[in-house]
Amino acid sequence: DQQVKQNSPSLSVQEGRISILNCDYTNSMFDYFLWYKKYPAEGPTFLISISSIKDKNEDGRFTVFLNKSAKHLSLHIVPSQPGDSAVYFCAASARVRGSNYKLTFGKGTLLTVNP
Amino acid sequence: DGGITQSPKYLFRKEGQNVTLSCEQNLNHDAMYWYRQDPGQGLRLIYYSQIVNDFQKGDIAEGYSVSREKKESFPLTVTSAQKNPTAFYLCASQGLAGVNEQFFGPGTRLTVL
Repeated sequence: DQQVKQNSPSLSVQEGRISILNCDYTNSMFDYFLWYKKYPAEGPTFLISISSIKDKNEDGRFTVFLNKSAKHLSLHIVPSQPGDSAVYFCAASARVRGSNYKLTFGKGTLLTVNP
Repeated sequence: DGGITQSPKYLFRKEGQNVTLSCEQNLNHDAMYWYRQDPGQGLRLIYYSQIVNDFQKGDIAEGYSVSREKKESFPLTVTSAQKNPTAFYLCASQGLAGVNEQFFGPGTRLTVL
């Protein structure tokens, strides 16, 4: 049973426009959400995160919105650039033993930004 | 430079052989993780370790084994019992307690022939 879902396998956007990547989750124990960016044959790199006590976090061109009642989050990239083309993974964090956390990942969305 | 290293980048093995993937970090992180990525799939957790000499099974631990004898090192052995070992393997680490971000290595692509 997938606890973190990214229902769009791919998204194509024109350079300069907004990219919106969506993510839904089912487990109400998740209390922290992260977005990672991944290029082929490389490890994911951390992009931006949000705590469940907030509804928005912004970092430059990247903004993450959290709608806790809908169990939905989205990543907005404005303006989109060709270098943003990559796979974007949504991840949700829940506490495991002690004070560490386990991440559960969605399947990813391939973003293509066309020049 | 601080970071996570995985070696080698590409690894080929014959079916039925055990193979060990290396993961080293010099970030002084306590927690380390192993994930597997398959085409069209997200990252799935194999094993994780919060401290030296302790590790826990993740969601898909069958056919894998790990050890954590040193804080810096968390090697993963893919055994012959793993039915579909060909995949991209990613190691990650996490630092301060309560900090949720995990930092990933560059990955090892394992192909079993």
